[in-house]
Amino acid sequence: AQRVTQPEKLLSVFKGAPVELKCNYSYSGSPELFWYVQYSRQRLQLLLRHISRESIKGFTADLNKGETSFHLKKPFAQEEDSAMYYCALRRNQGGKLIFGQGTELSVKP
Amino acid sequence: DSGVTQTPKHLITATGQRVTLRCSPRSGDLSVYWYQQSLDQGLQFLIQYYNGEERAKGNILERFSAQQFPDLHSELNLSSLELGDSALYFCASSARVWEAEQFFGPGTRLTVL
Repeated sequence: AQRVTQPEKLLSVFKGAPVELKCNYSYSGSPELFWYVQYSRQRLQLLLRHISRESIKGFTADLNKGETSFHLKKPFAQEEDSAMYYCALRRNQGGKLIFGQGTELSVKP
Repeated sequence: DSGVTQTPKHLITATGQRVTLRCSPRSGDLSVYWYQQSLDQGLQFLIQYYNGEERAKGNILERFSAQQFPDLHSELNLSSLELGDSALYFCASSARVWEAEQFFGPGTRLTVL
């Protein structure tokens, strides 16, 4: 079965500190992995996808197939990064997204 | 607003009732997805339509049904409502079935009393 696990419900850091939001997945095929973000009172929006290998708002994520992980990282957190972050998996050429439970990131001044 | 729109924003109803949630996809998007977000289950995929046809089904209850109309808007019908159906219901759209990026609507918050 396909599953996405985000072990931390809440992650609290100080501004300027490094951030790592963990995501592990289980899927026997070759999935596509995504990070979605939901800022307060806003809709869910795509932050990163593994195939693009880009950095958005200073965030990066590397797919580690050996460890079946797709952790989201940022070297220096900003207060505006405070939001809910969801890791999601999509089967290769499949439409639906399978989401993790989400991690609330709180960046304190 | 050319993004995904959902109506109503909030819905409060009683157990046993029936409600309809509406979603208009982004202009040009053919695929519509419905997700349910609840405290205990998180964000779960319900159903997907592509150009009017059902494409994939997730953990959607038999009391729930959906359709996509010729103008591509979609409706999610929830009947015989139970307290546990209280949740945030999101609609998302994408250009094609295989399109990776899904664009989400603001959601409809359903409260069943």
